[in-house]
Amino acid sequence: GAGVSQSPSNKVTEKGKDVELRCDPISGHTALYWYRQSLGQGLEFLIYFQGNSAPDKSGLPSDRFSAERTGGSVSTLTIQRTQQEDSAVYLCASSILAGAPRETQYFGPGTRLLVL
Amino acid sequence: AQSVTQLGSHVSVSEGALVLLRCNYSSSVPPYLFWYVQYPNQGLQLLLKYTTGATLVKGINGFEAEFKKSETSFHLTKPSAHMSDAAEYFCAVSEGGANSKLTFGKGITLSVRP
Repeated sequence: GAGVSQSPSNKVTEKGKDVELRCDPISGHTALYWYRQSLGQGLEFLIYFQGNSAPDKSGLPSDRFSAERTGGSVSTLTIQRTQQEDSAVYLCASSILAGAPRETQYFGPGTRLLVL
Repeated sequence: AQSVTQLGSHVSVSEGALVLLRCNYSSSVPPYLFWYVQYPNQGLQLLLKYTTGATLVKGINGFEAEFKKSETSFHLTKPSAHMSDAAEYFCAVSEGGANSKLTFGKGITLSVRP
């Protein structure tokens, strides 16, 4: 079956512009996660969705970052007024059950964001 | 708070040699432990995980890991390295609860010499 997909695969933007990153989880997966992978910080948790609600947004680095999920499926991560330090690979993952730590998180290929 | 330590950033082995990638964790509750592999320009793929039960866990591609509570370790091994094993490997921990977010180590790049 189809895995987690993300778009775009690569995004180059200018400092100060807004960007939207999209994640399509595996069909039927209740939980959805966003992580960021950067050279300096490694892999960091950003936000977790259980259905359409986000009970944990603790990893979002600033109020320029926001995310939503609609229909219990697609999620969009938005970064406003991008900064050069936002350059990273943004990874999305989904798992079949929410609140079930033993469940495997399946990762998408990521969106590589470069802010000039 | 939970954390993961992967000592070193790069390991190089000869083809056919033993692979040993170390992972130590810190957790205030019994942890769930994972090893993921990342090939260049790809997402993360689960190698294996420990949740409960048997402490020796077998995964894909001939990898296995042993959960040692007394040593707070979850080292990854493979008896004989193959060229295709060259990748970056991440150890991760989840403390469970309502979130289940993963906390990752810094990752280790494995090189395999012919």
